[in-house]
Amino acid sequence: DVKVTQSSRYLVKRTGEKVFLECVQDMDHENMFWYRQDPGLGLRLIYFSYDVKMKEKGDIPEGYSVSREKKERFSLILESASTNQTSMYLCASSRREGLNEQFFGPGTRLTVL
Amino acid sequence: RKEVEQDPGPFNVPEGATVAFNCTYSNSASQSFFWYRQDCRKEPKLLMSVYSSGNEDGRFTAQLNRASQYISLLIRDSKLSDSATYLCVVTLYSGAGSYQLTFGKGTKLSVIP
Repeated sequence: DVKVTQSSRYLVKRTGEKVFLECVQDMDHENMFWYRQDPGLGLRLIYFSYDVKMKEKGDIPEGYSVSREKKERFSLILESASTNQTSMYLCASSRREGLNEQFFGPGTRLTVL
Repeated sequence: RKEVEQDPGPFNVPEGATVAFNCTYSNSASQSFFWYRQDCRKEPKLLMSVYSSGNEDGRFTAQLNRASQYISLLIRDSKLSDSATYLCVVTLYSGAGSYQLTFGKGTKLSVIP
């Protein structure tokens, strides 16, 4: 059974804190993605990576950075959390070839106070 | 113009009804098309791909009209378990052998006993 896991289901941080969200997939997928999902705005792509140490900006990269040191792991970093980064964060992975079906993790609900 | 547009609903239908969702996309270079399903407080999961010739999976039928840049999903004999948000997804080649998915905001379906 394919699996994408995220380090936390719920996280509460204070404004200005550095936040790390971790994502691990066990499917040997080349591509990994970070999205945020907000009511009325849908899923928006923050960053994606198509290989180790490679990263590409998505639609809303401001205020975020990412790290992909190993194929199975993709980290999202909020250098200085702000209240407008309160959201549901979803990680996904997919193969480079073929259907490109994305498999999602369960999500991390981040609240920034 | 938004890249992928869907009627947000909610669609409230009785059990056994037939319901149809529509989706339009703006980029004519879009290459692949999908419907994802997202249950409340869960991650999105692939429901079905959408092929140019139209395709069916049990009670679900998906159709694509490239000329009109339009995708549809038909659900026959609705079940209570079909209650979810249905996301229309299109893909675009983003270079380096990778594809980006663009998600619609979703259409919420509630099937009522």
